[in-house]
Amino acid sequence: QVQLVESGGGVVQPGRSLRVSCAASGFTFSSYGMHWVRQAPGEGLEWVAIIWNDGNYKYYADSVKGRFTISRDNSKNTLYLQMNSLRVEDTAVFYCARGHYGALGYGMDVWGQGTTVTVSS
Amino acid sequence: QTVVTQEPSFSVSPGGTVTLTCGLRSGSVSTSYYPSWYQQTPGQAPRTLIYNTNTRSSGVPDRFSGSIVGNKAALTITGAQAEDESNYYCVLYMGSGIPNWVFGGGTKLTVL
Repeated sequence: QVQLVESGGGVVQPGRSLRVSCAASGFTFSSYGMHWVRQAPGEGLEWVAIIWNDGNYKYYADSVKGRFTISRDNSKNTLYLQMNSLRVEDTAVFYCARGHYGALGYGMDVWGQGTTVTVSS
Repeated sequence: QTVVTQEPSFSVSPGGTVTLTCGLRSGSVSTSYYPSWYQQTPGQAPRTLIYNTNTRSSGVPDRFSGSIVGNKAALTITGAQAEDESNYYCVLYMGSGIPNWVFGGGTKLTVL
């Protein structure tokens, strides 16, 4: 079955870096664009970034542009989010989500269970 | 900055019908925004209900339907059940220029 499993979350100090991962299985990973979406404690969902299926195009929310980098390794069926210069307000559950096949405008299709990132001194 | 609006809360009686909306602070929502809807219960990951305005995701009961009503996207639950008590989020695709997606603030639906 289609599955997305995030990992790599943890507690990190402000200004430091962290990389979270998302392992995909049950589908042809290299055929789908992938999103990262986050949710701060007690808050709503916020779109973070998207990467095209081939990795050639990447787009970011203004709130993370210049600090976060989305990437993927299609040979390992894995999506990444490198987060630098982390701020307290980046504290959130980070979800990876698959885009719709051939129609990225349609939003998110399948979701992972999330990984928690806490930025605190 | 684009702001997507949703009712903060709504209540419905079991078996009743409720329509949640998703609008823009400035402008009208059309099918060009490819509105989609997600259900999330506390502590759980979101679940996709509707995409491309009115297409139900696999396994979603047909009591959930999507549409455009006036100048907003809408999610209608017909015959609400207790397990539908959740938070509901819409997202709009901002495709002109740099692609990005903007979520609404979510609607907490109570079934009582």
